[in-house]
Amino acid sequence: QSVLTQPPSVSGAPGQRVTISCTGSSSNIGADYDVHWYQHLPGTAPKLLIYADTNRPSGVPDRFSGSRSGTSASLAITGLQAEDEADYYCQSYDNSLNGHVLFGGGTRLTVL
Amino acid sequence: VQLQESGPGLVKPSQTLSLTCSVSGGSTTSAAYYWTWIRQRPGEGLECIGYMSYSETTYYNPSLKSRVMMSVDTSKNQFSLKVTSVIAADTAVYYCARLTIQPRGGWFDPWGQGTLVTVSS
Repeated sequence: QSVLTQPPSVSGAPGQRVTISCTGSSSNIGADYDVHWYQHLPGTAPKLLIYADTNRPSGVPDRFSGSRSGTSASLAITGLQAEDEADYYCQSYDNSLNGHVLFGGGTRLTVL
Repeated sequence: VQLQESGPGLVKPSQTLSLTCSVSGGSTTSAAYYWTWIRQRPGEGLECIGYMSYSETTYYNPSLKSRVMMSVDTSKNQFSLKVTSVIAADTAVYYCARLTIQPRGGWFDPWGQGTLVTVSS
């Protein structure tokens, strides 16, 4: 079981806004480790979507945004498009595992 | 920078899984990055196997540490993964990725396309 908890699935209609939460604890997100987000379409390489909590790599639309508060982080997607249908993963680090990398369990986004 | 995994797609139980990641457009000798292996077992999420620097500083996932070895060949601009004594639960898509080192924890970018390794007799 992942130490970073994400909802298994979220859905929204085209044009809508959805958010995906990533809940951690005092030994990971709460310990001030950065949170990063990835988009993964089956059969392809995962793609970095947000790095260091709120930053978008070049080429990622500004429809995607990240935030954090306390021991949680969130990914928001506005103006939902069919091509956004994918799995989304948060990633951070954990003190209790000697700083080992953690991934959330992943969230499947369905565009209705 | 592009990464590409290569290696056998089928490994027998108890044998050793060996994969290589070729790096193009960048150098494995950069001190700003670690070189990483991540896997995704069927129906599950992403799991970091471990990462290492060009100077061979390594970190392995505690759950796999006793069976994993990673290495870097800077002359070929490649890095490799070995998992010994494989079992069916090691069946997964294996990805290589570059980890950008940051004080508050870095991120993985880019990733290879992934290679499916099946453990079966």
